[in-house]
Amino acid sequence: DTEVTQTPKHLVMGMTNKKSLKCEQHMGHRAMYWYKQKAKKPPELMFVYSYEKLSINESVPSRFSPECPNSSLLNLHLHALQPEDSALYLCASSQDRLRSGANVLTFGAGSRLTVL
Amino acid sequence: AQSVTQPDIHITVSEGASLELRCNYSYGATPYLFWYVQSPGQGLQLLLKYFSGDTLVQGIKGFEAEFKRSQSSFNLRKPSVHWSDAAEYFCAVGGNPDSWGKLQFGAGTQVVVTP
Repeated sequence: DTEVTQTPKHLVMGMTNKKSLKCEQHMGHRAMYWYKQKAKKPPELMFVYSYEKLSINESVPSRFSPECPNSSLLNLHLHALQPEDSALYLCASSQDRLRSGANVLTFGAGSRLTVL
Repeated sequence: AQSVTQPDIHITVSEGASLELRCNYSYGATPYLFWYVQSPGQGLQLLLKYFSGDTLVQGIKGFEAEFKRSQSSFNLRKPSVHWSDAAEYFCAVGGNPDSWGKLQFGAGTQVVVTP
């Protein structure tokens, strides 16, 4: 299995809703990432988990709450989002998270989020 | 600080013609360089990477890239483009220990393939 699976593919939510995005990989990777991508822009890093511990938070607003229940799963909990949070949310994984930067990321297909 | 520049926002190429996408990086030491491709509504797929060794690297889908340290470039090439190559292409650099291995992406180049 060489895939990163993200669910749901599409999500529409109101500003008062609570929802979650899910990400799963079975490649034995120990680093997992959340990226946000706006249209016509490169992905922006949000969070990195390494060995199930949060190692990077790129000053993301608290309305986004990541969770890594085990080495195969990564969740992104969403609460009280704003319309400007509408974007494609990409999950990725890598075998490890090397400080050297030699990390080969495998990306999921993304969850398209629309906040009304 | 490391940075990546993709000078071409948009490229149109005829099917069967050759393609070259430019990427310039700024980084003090030897960087780790990547090219990713993103089809519409999809995630990113790794085309190829350069860590060390032979400066001409081969990737998937018939793509290759050449690392030129003197020009701080890592340009992507394909000899004959297929309609399925229409996509967004991102160059990325990693390797700055101060940034804890984070990838720095270029702005991307949109490739349109005409019949």
